[in-house]
Amino acid sequence: DAKTTQPPSMDCAEGRAANLPCNHSTISGNEYVYWYRQIHSQGPQYIIHGLKNNETNEMASLIITEDRKSSTLILPHATLRDTAVYYCIVRVRSGGGADGLTFGKGTHLIIQP
Amino acid sequence: DGGITQSPKYLFRKEGQNVTLSCEQNLNHDAMYWYRQDPGQGLRLIYYSQIVNDFQKGDIAEGYSVSREKKESFPLTVTSAQKNPTAFYLCASSSVPGQRNNEQFFGPGTRLTVL
Repeated sequence: DAKTTQPPSMDCAEGRAANLPCNHSTISGNEYVYWYRQIHSQGPQYIIHGLKNNETNEMASLIITEDRKSSTLILPHATLRDTAVYYCIVRVRSGGGADGLTFGKGTHLIIQP
Repeated sequence: DGGITQSPKYLFRKEGQNVTLSCEQNLNHDAMYWYRQDPGQGLRLIYYSQIVNDFQKGDIAEGYSVSREKKESFPLTVTSAQKNPTAFYLCASSSVPGQRNNEQFFGPGTRLTVL
């Protein structure tokens, strides 16, 4: 799986959009970008994933650059409950096996009241 | 409700004892996983299983063992050979890759402390 780079921490005011960047310059053509988040002392939670088109669901939007070397996760109206560590992961979505995810240290997003 | 359960939430053991962590899922997922998380770190894969009666070592399998006798269950045993077993252990499951959705769903975790 390709390596990702994320800032270790970010702050965002409650009610504002939180934009979390991720660099994945060595991503290959069949690798997807996944985002998970982990609230303190809980299991990670899937947020969204994409290949090359922008994606949106009820939790967030994912913007992937045209060259696919970076992406941004957008939480449109951050709340205090969005304070968590956010992990950007790139991997082949389908293939020969259901192998595990490779988690880096992620970005600790702190939503300020 | 469908989901993944891990028990207990907190577990204490004396050094040198084996301990088994439970993981059960009722999502009808074929694949299951065990991860370990140390403070301030990301998750690291211990073992995974794509199908009943089959499992593969992950990145840090030494000192651990698993079994997959039933689709719903994937218990992890932390043996006395694991040199630093105190950690947060997370279980996950997913449907088979190639199906429309194979994102991993995680349990609430078990925090193991070895005294």
